[in-house]
Amino acid sequence: DTGVSQDPRHKITKRGQNVTFRCDPISEHNRLYWYRQTLGQGPEFLTYFQNEAQLEKSRLLSDRFSAERPKGSFSTLEIQRTEQGDSAMYLCASSFEWAEQFFGPGTRLTVL
Amino acid sequence: AQTVTQSQPEMSVQEAETVTLSCTYDTSENNYYLFWYKQPPSRQMILVIRQEAYKQQNATENRFSVNFQKAAKSFSLKISDSQLGDTAMYFCAFMKQGNFNKFYFGSGTKLNVKP
Repeated sequence: DTGVSQDPRHKITKRGQNVTFRCDPISEHNRLYWYRQTLGQGPEFLTYFQNEAQLEKSRLLSDRFSAERPKGSFSTLEIQRTEQGDSAMYLCASSFEWAEQFFGPGTRLTVL
Repeated sequence: AQTVTQSQPEMSVQEAETVTLSCTYDTSENNYYLFWYKQPPSRQMILVIRQEAYKQQNATENRFSVNFQKAAKSFSLKISDSQLGDTAMYFCAFMKQGNFNKFYFGSGTKLNVKP
């Protein structure tokens, strides 16, 4: 296992379009996290899964955002009707219980 | 709410010298963890060092060590014998102890190691 992977690495879209990102965690990790990082800032928590259950969502996650982890393995993050303010790096991380969170390389979203 | 503050947006250090990155945090929690993560240019974040709040002894990992002052809510990172590969963004992070380990990150310090 080579670590947390994310796809795509870069996404350019027009305002109003829908986008979906995928995260594949380290295989034995039961916890999966999504963060958003804007330029010059640290990552901000968006949401968290334990196995397939989404246990918490940040207020940053508006109704246009939805995340799933259907089988407790990979996760998807969908943004509907994208806005320019959604432009950011979207980071995924995974962990096993209380252990260290391992981060993926991120998906950089640019909304034109 | 927890907040993490990194007051140094950018720092430079000569190769082989020592540099200290500052971090302060605000919390009403007594049990928590503190972390330093490194994010090299265009690469993913990796853990540098972690500190449990209940431990008085400062954590050390090879050339990296912390100065944890719980009463002052200060958590600085010292990098000794700086190497070119240490060039990166460094993020300080706080995690409340409990059944959910969400991170609160600072805004980061960009460290440039000069040859």
